[in-house]
Amino acid sequence: DTAVSQTPKYLVTQMGNDKSIKCEQNLGHDTMYWYKQDSKKFLKIMFSYNNKELIINETVPNRFSPKSPDKAHLNLHINSLELGDSAVYFCASSSVEEGAQYFGPGTRLTVT
Amino acid sequence: SQQGEEDPQALSIQEGENATMNCSYKTSINNLQWYRQNSGRGLVHLILIRSNEREKHSGRLRVTLDTSKKSSSLLITASRAADTASYFCATSNAGGTSYGKLTFGQGTILTVHP
Repeated sequence: DTAVSQTPKYLVTQMGNDKSIKCEQNLGHDTMYWYKQDSKKFLKIMFSYNNKELIINETVPNRFSPKSPDKAHLNLHINSLELGDSAVYFCASSSVEEGAQYFGPGTRLTVT
Repeated sequence: SQQGEEDPQALSIQEGENATMNCSYKTSINNLQWYRQNSGRGLVHLILIRSNEREKHSGRLRVTLDTSKKSSSLLITASRAADTASYFCATSNAGGTSYGKLTFGQGTILTVHP
């Protein structure tokens, strides 16, 4: 199936831990994104990569570090997790020509 | 800051009725997009309308864009229970270094009763 996939789907961890979320797309897109959706469903962009290069870096704590090993993968590493990091994190991808973004199923992160 | 404001925040209708959701935004845009999110799922792209377009159709969906009023509407005709979801508008800003960046509204929760 052609899609954007994320792992894990659920992540429960304690404050202070370090965790990673992985994202892969097989749509041949050149741009990938990370979004954060809070408990009120508000969706905000965090990062964007185009051909493995960082092009958007919103005001995100530097505990969050994205890594793009190739243009089909964009991983998100979070250090020293805090309670406020609890949210659903979505990966997405798009192509320049189309403009529409294709979203993964999300990773629900719960920090206790 | 948030770009899109959606109205209403929640909409409850009967199957077969039409549903209209509105979105307003603040800055110049390249395009405006509508997405659907079913509970516990990722967002699904519905339709994209460019700043030089005024109306676009896709199946039971009709989107309008008024750049002078900085507003858009999404009309779903002959709604079905399966249309129950949250609907988000998202704007892609014109030019600059914000290439590819989408700014989302708060969404409208649509409930269609069978």
